[in-house]
Amino acid sequence: KAGVTQTPRYLIKTRGQQVTLSCSPISGHRSVSWYQQTPGQGLQFLFEYFSETQRNKGNFPGRFSGRQFSNSRSEMNVSTLELGDSALYLCASSLAKGRGSFFGQGTRLTVV
Amino acid sequence: KQEVTQIPAALSVPEGENLVLNCSFTDSAIYNLQWFRQDPGKGLTSLLLIQSSQREQTSGRLNASLDKSSGRSTLYIAASQPGDSATYLCAVRSRAGGTSYGKLTFGQGTILTVHP
Repeated sequence: KAGVTQTPRYLIKTRGQQVTLSCSPISGHRSVSWYQQTPGQGLQFLFEYFSETQRNKGNFPGRFSGRQFSNSRSEMNVSTLELGDSALYLCASSLAKGRGSFFGQGTRLTVV
Repeated sequence: KQEVTQIPAALSVPEGENLVLNCSFTDSAIYNLQWFRQDPGKGLTSLLLIQSSQREQTSGRLNASLDKSSGRSTLYIAASQPGDSATYLCAVRSRAGGTSYGKLTFGQGTILTVHP
């Protein structure tokens, strides 16, 4: 059974550009959540999608957005990139409430 | 607002020692608590999941306990090995209304080094 797949693994972007990250959840998992990990702030929740609808949102600016498709795959977009957006972005999928979360390998975004 | 704290921040032990990692959280309205392992530059690997109604879970040399009323969990690692060296993260899934599955709130992690 394939795990959570995130693409690409690494990205280098310039300030002001935008970027799109992709996440394919474990087959059958309909909930997808995104997290940002930085050395200073640790792991912080970005947003959660279920059945193509955003169900929960963390405390991030509107430059961070996402969506989920009918096959449960999710994309995350960051517009007008800032140096502080450099981080490891992790996607997690879950089967149901009360069940565990399973994470992908992450996308390492570097903004220069 | 849920807050999760892990103690110690770092731990260095010789191979073969038994060790305990601690996690505390402020809001007991949780679905579950999950322990993860993270190797440098990699994603998170799930180690153990404890439901809010459970007291402990075991997997191999790992044992995790949960005391929801006091907001505490411990991860016990028996007979540690150099391959156990990694960052260990505790996360609680807070209860949420509606159709949300609830978000995970993470501690800052414990960096474990097991030397031969």
